[in-house]
Amino acid sequence: AQSVTQPDIHITVSEGASLELRCNYSYGATPYLFWYVQSPGQGLQLLLKYFSGDTLVQGIKGFEAEFKRSQSSFNLRKPSVHWSDAAEYFCAVGASWFNAGNMLTFGGGTRLMVKP
Amino acid sequence: DTGVSQDPRHKITKRGQNVTFRCDPISEHNRLYWYRQTLGQGPEFLTYFQNEAQLEKSRLLSDRFSAERPKGSFSTLEIQRTEQGDSAMYLCASSTRQGQETQYFGPGTRLLVL
Repeated sequence: AQSVTQPDIHITVSEGASLELRCNYSYGATPYLFWYVQSPGQGLQLLLKYFSGDTLVQGIKGFEAEFKRSQSSFNLRKPSVHWSDAAEYFCAVGASWFNAGNMLTFGGGTRLMVKP
Repeated sequence: DTGVSQDPRHKITKRGQNVTFRCDPISEHNRLYWYRQTLGQGPEFLTYFQNEAQLEKSRLLSDRFSAERPKGSFSTLEIQRTEQGDSAMYLCASSTRQGQETQYFGPGTRLLVL
């Protein structure tokens, strides 16, 4: 069964500082990987996704993530954090077989707080 | 695309009552998913439709839960005889079965069972 671990429950960074959110996954085949962001009381917004190819993927709002198969990781990064980035971030893994439903398995989330 | 919509956004009910939530997917998205998210946790898969067929159900989906997608468009999720443990955010997502599948989520329905 697939699983996702986000080791950091809370992270606080200063505005303008760089950010890295960790994600480790367990999956037997080539994974589909996603990062979503959730503001309080809201649904999930897709930040970026990885299916294949270039292991460094760019997303919206200046975020990027790097797929490292050897480390089973898909860490999210941003070079300079803005106060509006404060939210909860979820890493997810999906099945990679075409004809099945792509049920996503989510990590527990990392809550990002931004200091002025 | 107008995005995935869910109704209601909030629901407060008393234990033992039945509740029904609605999800309208992005038009022409033939796949629809329901997830449940409890406070401080990531979403957990409940069930999945391809067109009108319900193809997967999680063990989380007890017999008090039922979901339908009668014409392959909108979907409803009903919870019968609600319990306090049903309090959660219920999220709907839709996608197309074309190439690299990406799920787009609605704003969710937050349920509070008193």
